[in-house]
Amino acid sequence: EVQLLESGGGLVQPGGSLRLSCATSGFTLKNYGMSWVRQAPGKGLEWVAGLRGSDPTTYYADSVKGRFTISRDNSKNTLDLQMNSLRADDTAIYYCAKAGAEWEHYFDLWGQGTLVTVSS
Amino acid sequence: DIVMTQSPDSLAVSLGERATINCKSSQSVLYSSNNRDYLAWYQQKSGQPPKLIIYWASTRDSGVPDRFSGSGSGTDFTLTISSLQAEDVAVYYCQQYYNNPRTFGQGTKLEIK
Repeated sequence: EVQLLESGGGLVQPGGSLRLSCATSGFTLKNYGMSWVRQAPGKGLEWVAGLRGSDPTTYYADSVKGRFTISRDNSKNTLDLQMNSLRADDTAIYYCAKAGAEWEHYFDLWGQGTLVTVSS
Repeated sequence: DIVMTQSPDSLAVSLGERATINCKSSQSVLYSSNNRDYLAWYQQKSGQPPKLIIYWASTRDSGVPDRFSGSGSGTDFTLTISSLQAEDVAVYYCQQYYNNPRTFGQGTKLEIK
């Protein structure tokens, strides 16, 4: 079964760091583009970061550029998001999302999400 | 960045009636080399992650009921539910994947009248 399962969310103080992970199964991770998309409480969807399937090219939203790093471990079938210098407005559910192909595709599979709360 | 604007923000429709949601992009998402519109629609039910329902503006994802249809091209798109069912209550988002950053509409909340 094709599946995504996020972990690593929690409560962190402003200025702190957190590392999210997305365990993938049922498909070959290196063949697909992957992204992180977040949703602040009661708000809409915001794409955060992504990487291509076939090469290490990464992309970031301006709101997280320089603070967040997306990476992938093909041997472990995991997608990670390292989040540094966290701010209150980073509070959200973070979803891992799989592209339909290498990159220029829609998100055909989403995980259940992991909640990140940035607060003192 | 491409700005995606949905209308209306919320919509109440009677069971069995048609529901129509519009999405407008600030620039064309039609890729001329393959004549494809890089536009998707997602359904998000309360407490759940988003679910893909339409891609390439008009292709239904596997398992999506045929009462859902997508139309439009260039900058103007529509999601239509031909006969609203109770299980269709959700927030619907359009999204462009034409370029980076990927952007979503603000969402349209669909309820039963």
